[in-house]
Amino acid sequence: GENVEQHPSTLSVQEGDSAVIKCTYSDSASNYFPWYKQELGKRPQLIIDIRSNVGEKKDQRIAVTLNKTAKHFSLHITETQPEDSAVYFCAASRGFGNEKLTFGTGTRLTIIP
Amino acid sequence: GAVVSQHPSRVICKSGTSVKIECRSLDFQATTMFWYRQFPKKSLMLMATSNEGSKATYEQGVEKDKFLINHASLTLSTLTVTSAHPEDSSFYICSAREWDSNEKLFFGSGTQLSVL
Repeated sequence: GENVEQHPSTLSVQEGDSAVIKCTYSDSASNYFPWYKQELGKRPQLIIDIRSNVGEKKDQRIAVTLNKTAKHFSLHITETQPEDSAVYFCAASRGFGNEKLTFGTGTRLTIIP
Repeated sequence: GAVVSQHPSRVICKSGTSVKIECRSLDFQATTMFWYRQFPKKSLMLMATSNEGSKATYEQGVEKDKFLINHASLTLSTLTVTSAHPEDSSFYICSAREWDSNEKLFFGSGTQLSVL
Protein backbone atom coordinates (compact mmCIF):
# COMPACT_ATOMS: atom_id res chain seq x y z
CA GLY A 1 0.00 0.00 0.00
CA GLU A 2 0.84 3.66 -0.06
CA ASN A 3 3.35 5.07 2.42
CA VAL A 4 3.60 8.82 2.96
CA GLU A 5 6.48 10.33 4.88
CA GLN A 6 6.44 13.91 6.11
CA HIS A 7 9.19 16.20 7.40
CA PRO A 8 9.85 17.98 9.63
CA SER A 9 7.68 16.84 12.52
CA THR A 10 7.94 20.25 14.15
CA LEU A 11 8.76 23.61 12.65
CA SER A 12 9.08 27.04 14.23
CA VAL A 13 9.41 30.15 12.10
CA GLN A 14 9.42 33.85 12.80
CA GLU A 15 6.27 35.69 11.83
CA GLY A 16 6.61 36.95 8.29
CA ASP A 17 9.10 34.29 7.25
CA SER A 18 8.32 31.33 5.00
CA ALA A 19 7.63 27.75 6.04
CA VAL A 20 8.22 24.66 3.93
CA ILE A 21 6.94 21.16 4.67
CA LYS A 22 7.96 18.20 2.55
CA CYS A 23 6.36 14.84 1.84
CA THR A 24 7.33 11.77 -0.14
CA TYR A 25 5.07 8.97 -1.31
CA SER A 26 5.67 5.44 -2.51
CA ASP A 27 2.74 4.52 -4.77
CA SER A 28 3.44 5.62 -8.33
CA ALA A 29 -0.30 5.35 -9.05
CA SER A 30 -1.12 8.14 -6.59
CA ASN A 31 -2.26 11.22 -8.45
CA TYR A 32 -4.04 13.42 -5.94
CA PHE A 33 -2.19 15.21 -3.13
CA PRO A 34 -4.12 17.36 -0.65
CA TRP A 35 -2.86 19.27 2.33
CA TYR A 36 -4.87 19.62 5.51
CA LYS A 37 -4.56 22.01 8.44
CA GLN A 38 -5.74 20.79 11.81
CA GLU A 39 -6.06 22.86 14.94
CA LEU A 40 -6.17 21.18 18.33
CA GLY A 41 -9.34 19.12 18.76
CA LYS A 42 -10.74 20.26 15.42
CA ARG A 43 -11.39 18.66 12.09
CA PRO A 44 -8.74 18.69 9.35
CA GLN A 45 -9.43 21.50 6.91
CA LEU A 46 -8.44 21.16 3.26
CA ILE A 47 -6.20 24.12 2.44
CA ILE A 48 -4.84 23.24 -0.99
CA ASP A 49 -4.52 20.25 -3.26
CA ILE A 50 -2.72 19.31 -6.43
CA ARG A 51 -3.16 16.67 -9.08
CA SER A 52 -0.35 14.86 -10.82
CA ASN A 53 -0.86 16.60 -14.13
CA VAL A 54 0.18 19.88 -12.49
CA GLY A 55 3.61 20.78 -11.13
CA GLU A 56 2.69 23.74 -9.00
CA LYS A 57 -0.39 25.41 -7.61
CA LYS A 58 -0.73 28.62 -5.65
CA ASP A 59 -3.49 30.15 -3.58
CA GLN A 60 -2.54 33.49 -2.04
CA ARG A 61 0.16 32.76 0.57
CA ILE A 62 0.02 29.00 0.11
CA ALA A 63 1.62 27.01 -2.67
CA VAL A 64 2.20 23.35 -3.36
CA THR A 65 4.77 21.84 -5.68
CA LEU A 66 4.84 18.29 -7.00
CA ASN A 67 7.70 16.30 -8.48
CA LYS A 68 6.08 13.14 -9.74
CA THR A 69 9.33 11.62 -10.95
CA ALA A 70 10.90 11.90 -7.53
CA LYS A 71 7.57 11.19 -5.77
CA HIS A 72 7.68 14.17 -3.52
CA PHE A 73 5.53 17.22 -2.93
CA SER A 74 5.90 20.25 -0.72
CA LEU A 75 3.80 22.90 0.97
CA HIS A 76 5.06 26.47 1.02
CA ILE A 77 3.57 29.14 3.25
CA THR A 78 4.86 32.67 2.73
CA GLU A 79 4.50 35.72 4.97
CA THR A 80 3.50 33.51 7.87
CA GLN A 81 1.06 34.78 10.46
CA PRO A 82 0.27 33.58 14.01
CA GLU A 83 -3.00 32.03 12.80
CA ASP A 84 -0.96 29.72 10.58
CA SER A 85 0.12 27.86 13.73
CA ALA A 86 -1.42 24.38 13.54
CA VAL A 87 -0.63 20.82 12.56
CA TYR A 88 -0.36 20.27 8.82
CA PHE A 89 -0.88 16.91 7.16
CA CYS A 90 -0.04 15.91 3.63
CA ALA A 91 -1.89 13.02 2.02
CA ALA A 92 -2.01 11.01 -1.16
CA SER A 93 -4.63 9.01 -3.01
CA ARG A 94 -5.23 7.49 -6.42
CA GLY A 95 -7.86 10.10 -7.07
CA PHE A 96 -11.43 10.04 -8.23
CA GLY A 97 -13.06 6.65 -7.76
CA ASN A 98 -10.33 5.62 -5.32
CA GLU A 99 -10.25 8.40 -2.79
CA LYS A 100 -8.75 6.45 0.09
CA LEU A 101 -6.30 8.92 1.58
CA THR A 102 -3.02 7.95 3.18
CA PHE A 103 -1.80 10.66 5.52
CA GLY A 104 1.66 11.78 6.43
CA THR A 105 2.67 11.92 10.07
CA GLY A 106 2.01 15.63 10.44
CA THR A 107 4.04 18.78 11.04
CA ARG A 108 3.40 21.00 14.01
CA LEU A 109 4.01 24.53 12.78
CA THR A 110 4.54 27.30 15.30
CA ILE A 111 4.71 30.91 14.21
CA ILE A 112 6.73 33.04 16.61
CA PRO A 113 5.33 36.58 16.89
CA GLY B 1 -16.71 23.45 0.79
CA ALA B 2 -19.17 20.74 1.61
CA VAL B 3 -20.39 20.26 5.18
CA VAL B 4 -19.96 16.99 7.01
CA SER B 5 -21.64 16.73 10.39
CA GLN B 6 -20.55 14.24 13.04
CA HIS B 7 -22.23 13.41 16.35
CA PRO B 8 -21.63 13.16 19.18
CA SER B 9 -18.55 15.34 19.55
CA ARG B 10 -17.59 13.74 22.82
CA VAL B 11 -18.69 10.60 24.61
CA ILE B 12 -17.64 8.98 27.85
CA CYS B 13 -18.79 5.44 28.47
CA LYS B 14 -18.17 2.49 30.69
CA SER B 15 -16.13 -0.47 29.54
CA GLY B 16 -18.31 -3.07 27.83
CA THR B 17 -20.89 -0.69 26.42
CA SER B 18 -21.42 0.11 22.77
CA VAL B 19 -21.17 3.57 21.27
CA LYS B 20 -22.65 4.78 18.00
CA ILE B 21 -21.16 7.67 16.05
CA GLU B 22 -23.05 9.32 13.19
CA CYS B 23 -21.60 10.99 10.13
CA ARG B 24 -23.88 13.01 7.87
CA SER B 25 -23.30 14.85 4.62
CA LEU B 26 -25.53 17.90 4.97
CA ASP B 27 -25.70 19.39 1.50
CA PHE B 28 -24.60 16.59 -0.79
CA GLN B 29 -24.93 12.89 -1.35
CA ALA B 30 -22.01 10.71 -0.39
CA THR B 31 -21.87 7.22 -1.83
CA THR B 32 -18.57 6.71 -0.05
CA MET B 33 -17.47 7.82 3.40
CA PHE B 34 -14.28 7.06 5.26
CA TRP B 35 -13.69 6.46 8.96
CA TYR B 36 -10.40 7.44 10.55
CA ARG B 37 -8.93 7.10 13.99
CA GLN B 38 -6.47 9.57 15.44
CA PHE B 39 -4.40 9.20 18.59
CA PRO B 40 -3.13 12.30 20.41
CA LYS B 41 -0.50 14.13 18.40
CA LYS B 42 -0.55 11.41 15.78
CA SER B 43 -1.69 11.10 12.20
CA LEU B 44 -5.05 9.91 10.90
CA MET B 45 -5.23 6.18 10.34
CA LEU B 46 -7.87 4.89 7.95
CA MET B 47 -10.09 2.28 9.57
CA ALA B 48 -12.61 1.51 6.86
CA THR B 49 -14.34 2.68 3.73
CA SER B 50 -18.10 2.91 4.05
CA ASN B 51 -20.08 2.25 0.88
CA GLU B 52 -23.76 3.09 0.62
CA GLY B 53 -25.86 -0.03 0.28
CA SER B 54 -23.02 -2.50 0.64
CA LYS B 55 -20.58 -3.84 3.18
CA ALA B 56 -17.78 -1.66 4.43
CA THR B 57 -14.21 -2.37 3.44
CA TYR B 58 -11.92 -2.59 6.45
CA GLU B 59 -8.22 -1.87 6.56
CA GLN B 60 -5.82 -4.56 7.66
CA GLY B 61 -5.79 -4.99 11.39
CA VAL B 62 -9.19 -3.39 12.00
CA GLU B 63 -11.72 -5.76 13.52
CA LYS B 64 -14.98 -5.53 11.59
CA ASP B 65 -16.98 -7.11 14.40
CA LYS B 66 -15.57 -4.56 16.81
CA PHE B 67 -16.17 -1.52 14.62
CA LEU B 68 -19.53 -1.95 12.89
CA ILE B 69 -20.20 0.36 9.99
CA ASN B 70 -23.58 0.95 8.41
CA HIS B 71 -24.09 3.23 5.41
CA ALA B 72 -27.83 2.96 4.98
CA SER B 73 -28.44 6.13 3.00
CA LEU B 74 -26.59 8.53 0.73
CA THR B 75 -26.21 11.02 3.56
CA LEU B 76 -25.57 8.91 6.64
CA SER B 77 -22.90 6.50 7.80
CA THR B 78 -22.62 5.19 11.34
CA LEU B 79 -19.74 3.65 13.23
CA THR B 80 -20.57 1.54 16.27
CA VAL B 81 -17.78 0.66 18.66
CA THR B 82 -19.03 -2.55 20.25
CA SER B 83 -18.10 -3.67 23.75
CA ALA B 84 -15.79 -0.71 24.13
CA HIS B 85 -12.62 -1.02 26.17
CA PRO B 86 -10.19 1.65 27.39
CA GLU B 87 -7.84 0.93 24.48
CA ASP B 88 -10.63 2.02 22.12
CA SER B 89 -10.39 5.53 23.54
CA SER B 90 -9.45 7.77 20.66
CA PHE B 91 -10.56 10.55 18.32
CA TYR B 92 -12.75 9.11 15.56
CA ILE B 93 -13.38 11.18 12.48
CA CYS B 94 -15.29 10.59 9.26
CA SER B 95 -14.87 12.08 5.83
CA ALA B 96 -16.90 12.19 2.65
CA ARG B 97 -16.33 13.13 -0.95
CA GLU B 98 -17.90 16.40 -1.96
CA TRP B 99 -19.32 15.68 -5.38
CA ASP B 100 -19.16 12.98 -7.99
CA SER B 101 -16.95 15.15 -10.13
CA ASN B 102 -13.86 15.38 -8.00
CA GLU B 103 -11.93 13.64 -5.31
CA LYS B 104 -11.91 16.29 -2.59
CA LEU B 105 -12.66 14.88 0.84
CA PHE B 106 -14.14 16.88 3.69
CA PHE B 107 -14.08 15.88 7.31
CA GLY B 108 -16.58 15.75 10.10
CA SER B 109 -15.79 17.47 13.38
CA GLY B 110 -14.70 14.26 15.05
CA THR B 111 -15.78 12.32 18.12
CA GLN B 112 -13.59 12.03 21.19
CA LEU B 113 -14.35 8.66 22.77
CA SER B 114 -13.23 7.99 26.33
CA VAL B 115 -13.85 4.52 27.74
CA LEU B 116 -13.56 4.21 31.49
